[in-house]
Amino acid sequence: EAQVTQNPRYLITVTGKKLTVTCSQNMNHEYMSWYRQDPGLGLRQIYYSMNVEVTDKGDVPEGYKVSRKEKRNFPLILESPSPNQTSLYFCASTAGQGASGYTFGSGTRLTVV
Amino acid sequence: AQSVAQPEDQVNVAEGNPLTVKCTYSVSGNPYLFWYVQYPNRGLQFLLKYITGDNLVKGSYGFEAEFNKSQTSFHLKKPSALVSDSALYFCAVRDLDTGRRALTFGSGTRLQVQP
Repeated sequence: EAQVTQNPRYLITVTGKKLTVTCSQNMNHEYMSWYRQDPGLGLRQIYYSMNVEVTDKGDVPEGYKVSRKEKRNFPLILESPSPNQTSLYFCASTAGQGASGYTFGSGTRLTVV
Repeated sequence: AQSVAQPEDQVNVAEGNPLTVKCTYSVSGNPYLFWYVQYPNRGLQFLLKYITGDNLVKGSYGFEAEFNKSQTSFHLKKPSALVSDSALYFCAVRDLDTGRRALTFGSGTRLQVQP
């Protein structure tokens, strides 16, 4: 089954403790992206990657890092999480220019206390 | 810059009645337009898209949307609402003139269908 897999689904952590949210897709998509969803704001793009070793900032990149060492994986790294990063995070991927649509993972609900 | 507006935070409709969820967009070039639905504690599920061609697009679960270039709108519609349609709906746009391939989302509209 074609899918984007995120782990973990739920995570509670403390301020300053480094964490990684994993994202993997099995569709051989070049483009991958991370979004955060906050009430009343919709989804906002954090980082994206056009292909292996090619990443760039989205609209809200502060406090986040990403890497793209393999085509299928695109982890999101919070080196020193803060409470304002409490949010619902989605990973997405697409092929080509996106005409086929974007496939989203099931989401990771992160709480930073 | 691309943007999307969903002017209604919530839409209430009785089961069996037609529903409309509004979306307007702004892009500098030609748009790709999408509708996604989110059920509680679930991810985003693709409903339909407009890429090119016929302005009336049909999607999953009986939903359809009409692309109106002059009004820069892409309203989501369904002839007869079901209680199970109650969910959060997002409109999204991608501007083909930019290289980012980023989707810009509206703030979402909560659809409540009453029995």
